[in-house]
Amino acid sequence: QSALTQPASVSGSPGQSITVSCTGTSSDVGGYNYVSWYQQHPGKAPKLMIYDVSNRPSGVSNRFSASKSGNTASLTISGLQAEDEADYYCSSYSSRSTHVFGTGTKVTVL
Amino acid sequence: DVQLVQSGAEVKKPGESLKISCKGSGYSFSTYWIGWVRQMPGKGLEWMGIIYPGDSDTRYSPSFQGQVTISADKSINTTYLQWSSLEASDIAIYYCARRVGIRYFDDWGQGTPVTVSS
Repeated sequence: QSALTQPASVSGSPGQSITVSCTGTSSDVGGYNYVSWYQQHPGKAPKLMIYDVSNRPSGVSNRFSASKSGNTASLTISGLQAEDEADYYCSSYSSRSTHVFGTGTKVTVL
Repeated sequence: DVQLVQSGAEVKKPGESLKISCKGSGYSFSTYWIGWVRQMPGKGLEWMGIIYPGDSDTRYSPSFQGQVTISADKSINTTYLQWSSLEASDIAIYYCARRVGIRYFDDWGQGTPVTVSS
């Protein structure tokens, strides 16, 4: 059960859009529509940002959107703001009630 | 409101045992799976395992099977993560999180830092 692959870092200027990819296999990302995304600020617990591939929980800005194609999921942050600077992790259900996280991506607002 | 409150920071010596806890409130504790997640210093999130407090059905990541034990006491709305013999490689922050269906983790505990040092 290997970690999902994410780019180590992604950066953008305020107001720009960035996309974070998350690549797995047909046993996890490609096999289920149960991809979720989490934001983690330094010293804080992770926060759910996206669930079931593309759904936003109540209270999460609509600047966050996500999708999936095959074995790769993507998170897009539009209108990048300073407060979006954080680590982002994807996660997928992976059969027999297990899960796997992505390697994590540090988003930097330039 | 849903809350998961974890036990406090721990400092232990190599070879010692440890049991940390995660207490849920504000929802029907027995009917949601609770997962445990490790975050080593400066590293990413790692899924360790999950338990259904209603019947203590437990699943482990292959990476953590045999290394830790996850348990629950539904009478006090608490799940546990325990080690029989700690190693320096167990230094990390450990989070518990509530799972919705089989899909995602919506609420997280504040994390329990574990330090192992002689």
